[in-house]
Amino acid sequence: DAMVIQNPRYQVTQFGKPVTLSCSQTLNHNVMYWYQQKSSQAPKLLFHYYDKDFNNEADTPDNFQSRRPNTSFCFLDIRSPGLGDAAMYLCATSRDGLPGPTDTQYFGPGTRLTVL
Amino acid sequence: AQSVTQLGSHVSVSEGALVLLRCNYSSSVPPYLFWYVQYPNQGLQLLLKYTSAATLVKGINGFEAEFKKSETSFHLTKPSAHMSDAAEYFCAVSGGGGFKTIFGAGTRLFVKA
Repeated sequence: DAMVIQNPRYQVTQFGKPVTLSCSQTLNHNVMYWYQQKSSQAPKLLFHYYDKDFNNEADTPDNFQSRRPNTSFCFLDIRSPGLGDAAMYLCATSRDGLPGPTDTQYFGPGTRLTVL
Repeated sequence: AQSVTQLGSHVSVSEGALVLLRCNYSSSVPPYLFWYVQYPNQGLQLLLKYTSAATLVKGINGFEAEFKKSETSFHLTKPSAHMSDAAEYFCAVSGGGGFKTIFGAGTRLFVKA
């Protein structure tokens, strides 16, 4: 089955220790997104890639970076995690990201990040 | 600009009762509307989407939603709640700014035995 995969599902890191979260997709979608979701809140878009073009949301802290080495993989790097970065991180994909019948985002299961 | 308002952060129903989760949207362009469900420690799963083909949209797990332009609403319903429906539900809108989908704050559905 075509899908969005996130690894690991649970990640524990220490305050200030860099951490990388991974997302892969078998849907061959052009667009990949990273969201941060804190408890009982809506997902908050951090950034997205359209193919190799990176698009950062204006309010995404510099502490968050991303890489997309190829169509299938996308990484979220948190350079110096703070306690406030503890959250669920969701990866999503869409075929072309343009408004229309195909503009549907498909989500991975998420990675829950704990910062000690 | 687009926005979504979900009325009620928590909704509680008895098993077998009607489920009604409310969503109102604001959009300056014809919207595309979605309902997603999220189970604990899981990602978001698409329940259904409105793309202007039909105002009554049927989704998975017996859910449906009706697009009412005059009321700017897209409420989610299910005739008979099941215990397995207990989850967080998000209404979302896109169409105004290309790549961005705007999510509502979510409604947590509780189902009582």
